[in-house]
Amino acid sequence: GAVVSQHPSRVICKSGTSVKIECRSLDFQATTMFWYRQFPKKSLMLMATSNEGSKATYEQGVEKDKFLINHASLTLSTLTVTSAHPEDSSFYICSAIYSSGRASEQYFGPGTRLTVT
Amino acid sequence: KQEVTQIPAALSVPEGENLVLNCSFTDSAIYNLQWFRQDPGKGLTSLLLIQSSQREQTSGRLNASLDKSSGRSTLYIAASQPGDSATYLCATGANSKLTFGKGITLSVRP
Repeated sequence: GAVVSQHPSRVICKSGTSVKIECRSLDFQATTMFWYRQFPKKSLMLMATSNEGSKATYEQGVEKDKFLINHASLTLSTLTVTSAHPEDSSFYICSAIYSSGRASEQYFGPGTRLTVT
Repeated sequence: KQEVTQIPAALSVPEGENLVLNCSFTDSAIYNLQWFRQDPGKGLTSLLLIQSSQREQTSGRLNASLDKSSGRSTLYIAASQPGDSATYLCATGANSKLTFGKGITLSVRP
């Protein structure tokens, strides 16, 4: 099956610094990737849709200047949390759409645990 | 706006029991419905994907059904095992976007 990786799996940073999270589709090309965040005992909340070669589409309430998304190639999307604050601490998960014939399905990365101190 | 609900939030059963996890959604205009498994601190593993034209899908001990008209899906787990302990999330898909429920945390007692 399709495999999506994320790096790093865990990161601790100080308040005010920026953190970059990578999402890679390992064995397929993905023109569309998604970024989610998940709080404890909460649903996954879609943050943005990352489109290769164009600007990301952000969901309502998500600050695009704070969560910078770059989808520079068909296998890599990056999420940069700028000027991180403790309230940005969360579990961030990416997914990529794998299309085969007429069907398409999202495959998820293993997630990145961000802790801002 | 689509809302996906999973009740109860947690469930504990003895090993060997057959069980049903429920999922309801408010907007029936969906392309598909997917069930995922999430282990603590981990990402999501897709279990079953039901297209909107389908009624059910089966994989091993798992069977998922979809009733769009009533806005419901169920995940049936046969002969539960301790290794089935995890959080199970359902998500509806439309325009490539998924809307998730909060999940049901299942604990299977040996």
